[in-house]
Amino acid sequence: DAKTTQPNSMESNEEEPVHLPCNHSTISGTDYIHWYRQLPSQGPEYVIHGLTSNVNNRMASLAIAEDRKSSTLILHRATLRDAAVYYCILAGGTSYGKLTFGQGTILTVHP
Amino acid sequence: EAGVVQSPRYKIIEKKQPVAFWCNPISGHNTLYWYRQNLGQGPELLIRYENEEAVDDSQLPKDRFSAERLKGVDSTLKIQPAELGDSAVYLCASSPDRDFSLDEQFFGPGTRLTVL
Repeated sequence: DAKTTQPNSMESNEEEPVHLPCNHSTISGTDYIHWYRQLPSQGPEYVIHGLTSNVNNRMASLAIAEDRKSSTLILHRATLRDAAVYYCILAGGTSYGKLTFGQGTILTVHP
Repeated sequence: EAGVVQSPRYKIIEKKQPVAFWCNPISGHNTLYWYRQNLGQGPELLIRYENEEAVDDSQLPKDRFSAERLKGVDSTLKIQPAELGDSAVYLCASSPDRDFSLDEQFFGPGTRLTVL
């Protein structure tokens, strides 16, 4: 399975943008880049996904490098409720149904 | 719309005792997953069902773990006998029909198991 590399932790202040990086240098052509997050004492929840083009939804934006070997999850205005563990996962395509979670990035948001 | 329901939320048992976890997926979701999450780690897939069929159980420790999804709806995961190392959060997830690009799984709140 293709692996991803994320920083162990990041910090942000409330209402500031947050850029969460992810490296996936061994990504294959059929892998979609997914982001999930896990709030304290809850199961993970889907945030966003993409293949090649940048993506936006109500929760976040996903910026994908042209060579697809890295991506960045962007939270435009962090709130205290965004404090969570964020997982970058290569999934979909031929890897459908095989979410392989790493350790993720622990995001701390300061008031 | 109701989410994935799991019970119990917490369970404390002595080692060598059996334990069972129950999961009811989102209505209409044919695919069901069981994950185990150790402290400080991401979830690890134990087994994946499509309807009643276990299509991926390669990570399930079959000597002590078993799972069933008899009618293709709710599911039970059992451990017998439990060991100290089984202490973890057991997560259930479900997903709708297969989509080539989007692997969106909906997770329940999990069952936190403590083995003493």
